[in-house]
Amino acid sequence: GAGVSQSPSNKVTEKGKDVELRCDPISGHTALYWYRQSLGQGLEFLIYFQGNSAPDKSGLPSDRFSAERTGGSVSTLTIQRTQQEDSAVYLCASSLMSGGNSPLHFGNGTRLTVT
Amino acid sequence: GENVEQHPSTLSVQEGDSAVIKCTYSDSASNYFPWYKQELGKRPQLIIDIRSNVGEKKDQRIAVTLNKTAKHFSLHITETQPEDSAVYFCAASVGAQKLVFGQGTRLTINP
Repeated sequence: GAGVSQSPSNKVTEKGKDVELRCDPISGHTALYWYRQSLGQGLEFLIYFQGNSAPDKSGLPSDRFSAERTGGSVSTLTIQRTQQEDSAVYLCASSLMSGGNSPLHFGNGTRLTVT
Repeated sequence: GENVEQHPSTLSVQEGDSAVIKCTYSDSASNYFPWYKQELGKRPQLIIDIRSNVGEKKDQRIAVTLNKTAKHFSLHITETQPEDSAVYFCAASVGAQKLVFGQGTRLTINP
């Protein structure tokens, strides 16, 4: 079946602009995660959703970052007033149950470049 | 807070030799330990995972071992092939909700 879908695949934006990244998880997966991967670096946890609620937002770097999930499905990650240090690949993942007990399935990511 | 340390950061081995990547974790309650492979420009993909109730798991040329007392786990790849070249990430569960990842190991297989 279809995997995790993210859009756009690439986004170039000017410093100070807002961006919205979208994630469409695998159908039936209740848990959804956002991670950030800077060039050549590891996977930095941002936020986790179980259904529509976000029990863990501890990884959001600042109040410029927010995320929501509606209908237990699609999620959007919004970055306001983008800064150059926000440039990275933003990866979304979903899992059948909470990721502490079942594998994460990743999307291809959105490569964000802030100029 | 929760932390996963991964070593080495880079590893180069001759084709046919074995490769070992090691990780340590800090949360004694962690009970799920997956390994992901990320090829250049692609998404991370699960290659093997292990739960805390077993000490070793094997899948063809790949094996993972877990020492809960010492809080470390390792990935072993035998008879390495060029297509094994990639970045490998270990991860450990935290609070049964999320995974915390290591910094990754760039594995290069030399022909």
